[in-house]
Amino acid sequence: DTAVSQTPKYLVTQMGNDKSIKCEQNLGHDTMYWYKQDSKKFLKIMFSYNNKELIINETVPNRFSPKSPDKAHLNLHINSLELGDSAVYFCASSRSASRGREQYFGPGTRLTVT
Amino acid sequence: TQLLEQSPQFLSIQEGENLTVYCNSSSVFSSLQWYRQEPGEGPVLLVTVVTGGEVKKLKRLTFQFGDARKDSSLHITAAQPGDTGLYLCAGYNQGGKLIFGQGTELSVKP
Repeated sequence: DTAVSQTPKYLVTQMGNDKSIKCEQNLGHDTMYWYKQDSKKFLKIMFSYNNKELIINETVPNRFSPKSPDKAHLNLHINSLELGDSAVYFCASSRSASRGREQYFGPGTRLTVT
Repeated sequence: TQLLEQSPQFLSIQEGENLTVYCNSSSVFSSLQWYRQEPGEGPVLLVTVVTGGEVKKLKRLTFQFGDARKDSSLHITAAQPGDTGLYLCAGYNQGGKLIFGQGTELSVKP
């Protein structure tokens, strides 16, 4: 009965590889997000989808490509991984895209690029 | 650019002590949120403050929103080891994005 789930929990890969992280929410929310938390624990938004449409696209390298097949899923594909991509990536969801809404976060995916 | 500055960044105290964490900005926010993140987990919302001057209590945690809606504080009374974690303040900017402060890592020693 997990609300927001992510797979995998840990991902260790070499530079240059392509990898994907999957996210699913069973809360019936229509807005989903990807965040990156760096080694200093700073959390920054990367992307947001509302009803499968991209509504927030921060200044993120185009090696990162989100995909939302339906309202309950938001995946993140990363091409040509670099050392600087090492971080914890969090998926989140909320009931709507309006401000003030509580966001529910997944447990995170710790990506290590060697 | 709307920024949220949190202080202190690190806090290590003994069980039973009181502490206050501050979240400041030069910009006005319509509301501010406080999240708590435990190791290996995602942030979990503790509270949202909406009205200037508002005070909300959650057991031993007291949250205050500044009168001008530019700052907020979190006060913990008689801290316990279970309070250990990363505390994050956050607010929606004018672009509709939730922005976070740098976080305060709290360690409460028994």
